Amino acid sequence: NAGVTQTPKFQVLKTGQSMTLQCAQDMNHEYMSWYRQDPGMGLRLIHYSVGAGITDQGEVPNGYNVSRSTTEDFPLRLLSAAPSQTSVYFCASSPGQFHSPLHFGNGTRLTVT
Amino acid sequence: GQQVMQIPQYQHVQEGEDFTTYCNSSTTLSNIQWYKQRPGGHPVFLIQLVKSGEVKKQKRLTFQFGEAKKNSSLHITATQTTDVGTYFCAVNSNTGNQFYFGTGTSLTVIP
Repeated sequence: NAGVTQTPKFQVLKTGQSMTLQCAQDMNHEYMSWYRQDPGMGLRLIHYSVGAGITDQGEVPNGYNVSRSTTEDFPLRLLSAAPSQTSVYFCASSPGQFHSPLHFGNGTRLTVT
Repeated sequence: GQQVMQIPQYQHVQEGEDFTTYCNSSTTLSNIQWYKQRPGGHPVFLIQLVKSGEVKKQKRLTFQFGEAKKNSSLHITATQTTDVGTYFCAVNSNTGNQFYFGTGTSLTVIP
């Protein structure tokens, strides 16, 4: 099993550009989520989904959109990138039951200049 | 959202010394999870604690959940260079749909 797959691994954007970070999982997990990791800030939840067709906001949703058209995929869209969005982004999934552990992808390192 | 404070932020130890990181919440927690992130890697689940006063061990790692379910600790006995990384605690929101992470403790082990 591949687990949680994120693409790309690295990305450089200019301010105002848009892009989509891809996340796919092959474990049939209902729950998927996006985090950003910044030095000294830990992991902060951006958006999450408890199943196909359902998404909700986390702690820091501004500037990001998500959709969940299938169980497997949960893309994160930056509509107009800003330097403040420079970060490492992690996608994570879990079976969905309360108390289930999160399985993380390898991350995408994004730089916005 | 759920707030969980984690201390210390950094810890440098000589190989063979012990290490402890703490997570504290102002509210009662339903559960707490611990993750390890190696440098350049992604967080990996270590363990989950659910019961008041629970203690779990994984080789040299000991995890504790406070009696009031408001704090937790991870203790590593006789650290090794393979223990290097950042250790995070994570807690569920009341609905269970959101995971809130502590700020992490970065462990450096000096050979």
